Amino acid sequence: DAKTTQPNSMESNEEEPVHLPCNHSTISGTDYIHWYRQLPSQGPEYVIHGLTSNVNNRMASLAIAEDRKSSTLILHRATLRDAAVYYCIGPMKGNTPLVFGKGTRLSVIA
Amino acid sequence: GAGVSQSPSNKVTEKGKDVELRCDPISGHTALYWYRQRLGQGLEFLIYFQGNSAPDKSGLPSDRFSAERTGESVSTLTIQRTQQEDSAVYLCASSTRNNPGIYEQFFGPGTRLTVL
Repeated sequence: DAKTTQPNSMESNEEEPVHLPCNHSTISGTDYIHWYRQLPSQGPEYVIHGLTSNVNNRMASLAIAEDRKSSTLILHRATLRDAAVYYCIGPMKGNTPLVFGKGTRLSVIA
Repeated sequence: GAGVSQSPSNKVTEKGKDVELRCDPISGHTALYWYRQRLGQGLEFLIYFQGNSAPDKSGLPSDRFSAERTGESVSTLTIQRTQQEDSAVYLCASSTRNNPGIYEQFFGPGTRLTVL
């Protein structure tokens, strides 16, 4: 059973920032939060992960709440290629199978 | 370098037949996972191999499903006596222990199985 909660869908205009929320109220102190995304007709791909601090990489930023019970994936400028299902996954320790929910389907409008 | 590859990309079979799906992980990756994704759904974990440890088979939906892995290389997922509800995309992923705390999983493109 999924341990994260995400909205089913979100919509964004191209070139605008997108904030994708995730609740993970059962997280413990050593659990990482990972985000993956799945483009149409492809396997999922890793986006970003974090533990306590906010994280940035070339794809996105991850803002983790101080109590760690929620996080937000931030795409700074959405492009049409960012249209995908975004999965927030956790808690995760080490090499364990990912527990996927249904994720958030992001639509990007030109 | 090469990513995770899976074959065949598409498989159509008749109900009751057996099928074998193949996964070639990234070289050097010790962990290998099989997932199933039904149309419009998230991924369901099926089975997990980690090095020489006994595989975690807790996600296999029935005894018609089995998987093997040769050392730390290729894996095959076998579905016996296929049923229409087995129709799905079967995804394989691999990961390494070389980056503790990250364990990013690299996914293959999947095998789309259709049972008529």
